[in-house]
Amino acid sequence: NAGVMQNPRHLVRRRGQEARLRCSPMKGHSHVYWYRQLPEEGLKFMVYLQKENIIDESGMPKERFSAEFPKEGPSILRIQQVVRGDSAAYFCASSPGGTSGRTEEQYFGPGTRLTVT
Amino acid sequence: AQSVTQLGSHVSVSEGALVLLRCNYSSSVPPYLFWYVQYPNQGLQLLLKYTTGATLVKGINGFEAEFKKSETSFHLTKPSAHMSDAAEYFCAVKGNFGNEKLTFGTGTRLTIIP
Repeated sequence: NAGVMQNPRHLVRRRGQEARLRCSPMKGHSHVYWYRQLPEEGLKFMVYLQKENIIDESGMPKERFSAEFPKEGPSILRIQQVVRGDSAAYFCASSPGGTSGRTEEQYFGPGTRLTVT
Repeated sequence: AQSVTQLGSHVSVSEGALVLLRCNYSSSVPPYLFWYVQYPNQGLQLLLKYTTGATLVKGINGFEAEFKKSETSFHLTKPSAHMSDAAEYFCAVKGNFGNEKLTFGTGTRLTIIP
């Protein structure tokens, strides 16, 4: 049973370009979370999605960032017109989304390390 | 709202010595608490979790943590440190039902001295 998959693992973009980060949740999981880890800091929540729905995007910067989790295919975190401050590790996590709710563990992917030059 | 404070961004212990990593939390609902470990350039792996029931929770790799409501703490311990325990450790608290996002502490980097 494959774990959470993220690609690419490393991404280099020049200032002003777009970055697309992909996350395939574990099989059977319908809840996806994106977190950002800045250098020497902990993980910060960005957005929580279920299939075709954004449940909570309170951690997303107001501009340039967007996320989706379509009915088919991976979840995508999109960053437009990247700036150096966007350089970070972006982690995706998934959970089953069943009735056990809060007791469910979130399973993390290996992360995408974005470098903006 | 939830928050987590991890005291000590860097902790060094000798191999074979006790490991104690501190975590205090704040939560507006009964807390669900987690400890994760992160090895260099890798994702997070769950060590253990507390949801309800027994307050002493045992996890993988010999780690355990005790939930103390009166102290709002969830400290992580291991009786005898091993070189392979060197990593970054994160304490996290979970949000309310329906929005189970994790709020993380800033992490503690554990170094093991041979």
